[in-house]
Amino acid sequence: GQNIDQPTEMTATEGAIVQINCTYQTSGFNGLFWYQQHAGEAPTFLSYNVLDGLEEKGRFSSFLSRSKGYSYLLLKELQMKDSASYLCAAARYQKVTFGTGTKLQVIP
Amino acid sequence: NAGVTQTPKFRVLKTGQSMTLLCAQDMNHEYMYWYRQDPGMGLRLIHYSVGEGTTAKGEVPDGYNVSRLKKQNFLLGLESAAPSQTSVYFCASIQGASYEQYFGPGTRLTVT
Repeated sequence: GQNIDQPTEMTATEGAIVQINCTYQTSGFNGLFWYQQHAGEAPTFLSYNVLDGLEEKGRFSSFLSRSKGYSYLLLKELQMKDSASYLCAAARYQKVTFGTGTKLQVIP
Repeated sequence: NAGVTQTPKFRVLKTGQSMTLLCAQDMNHEYMYWYRQDPGMGLRLIHYSVGEGTTAKGEVPDGYNVSRLKKQNFLLGLESAAPSQTSVYFCASIQGASYEQYFGPGTRLTVT
């Protein structure tokens, strides 16, 4: 929705690094959220980027380029429990809309 | 501190029936949101509120109404349920300054 694009599915190996990309329409843009959602559960907040650059939180990092309308979520040292959907969402003023999510499968 | 709660967790309606979903948050958040999630569609914004007494339309508002009479509660109403409204409904809230968004556990609604 709202021109937020991310890949539908990705597969990565346990212990590896994976980057999930997200592009969005820049008009009226305030910030960019990333969420993790396990099957059958509610989304949980991972990060919110307002300024350009990389923000690191443990094994997860999120990057934003406002001028390019581009963000990515970087997951390091992948664990089996990281198998989930990763949702990108853009805030335009107080309105927060989501992409369709990227389903990540971590394999041994 | 319960966070964001939703009532009920499950519901089955017949076409044409009405119901209200309740979202409550005890974090004094200003902004509240209702989303629906369908397979392959992601989360779609139905309505949202930026404060007590205010509401605004999201991406898919048709067939739904909302009210925010108290800051801690955000109600989603279905006046005449349709099978197309079968979905999982999530409520969320944000504290304006931090923009950290918290979700409720979801309500699974089936309309037959």
